Amino acid sequence: KAGVTQTPRYLIKTRGQQVTLSCSPISGHRSVSWYQQTPGQGLQFLFEYFSETQRNKGNFPGRFSGRQFSNSRSEMNVSTLELGDSALYLCASSLDVSGANVLTFGAGSRLTVL
Amino acid sequence: QQQVKQSPQSLIVQKGGISIINCAYENTAFDYFPWYQQFPGKGPALLIAIRPDVSEKKEGRFTISFNKSAKQFSLHIMDSQPGDSATYFCAASGGNQFYFGTGTSLTVIP
Repeated sequence: KAGVTQTPRYLIKTRGQQVTLSCSPISGHRSVSWYQQTPGQGLQFLFEYFSETQRNKGNFPGRFSGRQFSNSRSEMNVSTLELGDSALYLCASSLDVSGANVLTFGAGSRLTVL
Repeated sequence: QQQVKQSPQSLIVQKGGISIINCAYENTAFDYFPWYQQFPGKGPALLIAIRPDVSEKKEGRFTISFNKSAKQFSLHIMDSQPGDSATYFCAASGGNQFYFGTGTSLTVIP
């Protein structure tokens, strides 16, 4: 069974540009969450999607957005990139079964903003 | 506001020793407490998890101790091995949203 696939794995952008990251969840998983990982800050929750609807949102500025498609694949977008956006962006999927919500993470997309 | 506080930030243990990582949470509505292990270049992977109706859960060399009244839980790694060197994250969840600690970098010295 394929795991969570994130693309691209690495990318370099310059300030002011925008970036789109992609996540393919495990087959059958309908919930997709996004996290930003930086040294010392741990995993900061960005947003969670279920059945193409954003169900939860973290405390990030509006430059961070996402969406989910009918096949549960998800994308996140960061516009007007800032140096502080350099991080590992992790996607996690889950079955979203009440009482047994296990997150399975992808390997992440490492974004460097110059 | 950090919903889950984790300590220490880094930990160095001799091979065969016990590694202990602690976490504390605020929200009493949390009902699921997983620990994740992350190796360099990989995403975090579920290691072990506990629910608040039990005080301890053991899986091999890994044990979670849970203190509901103190709102604290900890991960104990017995007989620590160099292969356990990784970053460990505790988390808490009250539904479909998870809150993670800031991580502990564990180094096990041979």
